[in-house]
Amino acid sequence: NAGVTQTPKFRILKIGQSMTLQCTQDMNHNYMYWYRQDPGMGLKLIYYSVGAGITDKGEVPNGYNVSRSTTEDFPLRLELAAPSQTSVYFCASLPEYTYNEQFFGPGTRLTVL
Amino acid sequence: KNEVEQSPQNLTAQEGEFITINCSYSVGISALHWLQQHPGGGIVSLFMLSSGKKKHGRLIATINIQEKHSSLHITASHPRDSAVYICAVRPSGYALNFGKGTSLLVTP
Repeated sequence: NAGVTQTPKFRILKIGQSMTLQCTQDMNHNYMYWYRQDPGMGLKLIYYSVGAGITDKGEVPNGYNVSRSTTEDFPLRLELAAPSQTSVYFCASLPEYTYNEQFFGPGTRLTVL
Repeated sequence: KNEVEQSPQNLTAQEGEFITINCSYSVGISALHWLQQHPGGGIVSLFMLSSGKKKHGRLIATINIQEKHSSLHITASHPRDSAVYICAVRPSGYALNFGKGTSLLVTP
């Protein structure tokens, strides 16, 4: 199993541009999450999904959108990028929310200039 | 919202030392996680606790539900233990609330 994969690893955007961060897991997990990590801060939840077709907002959803058309994929869309969205983005998954371990992707480092 | 506080923020130890990282939280939880973030950025789960104590190799995690406190201990520390250690709690629901992390440097 590849686990949780994210692309791209790095990206520089100009203000106002849009992009999609890709996240795929091959473990057949129902629960998937998008977090952002800012320097010196804890990870913050952007959006999560409890299964295909079901998504919900987390703590910091503004400026982002998600979709979950399949169990495997959970892309995060940034519309009209702003410098405040400069961060490291992590995707994570687990089969059930009471499960022991949350599996994280390697992260995407995004800079908006 | 459940506030998660970790201490210390930064920690430097010599190889072989016993290390303790603390985590306190403000409201009831269903579980507490300890995570490790390597210098390259990857995050791995170390433990999930809902009560008592767990041990894996040189790592020991404890939780006191009444005091809303958890500790992560590393025995016989080694330079490869250098990483950021993150405490996260699960209130009721699907998501985790994360602490800011403790940056550990173990020197030879």
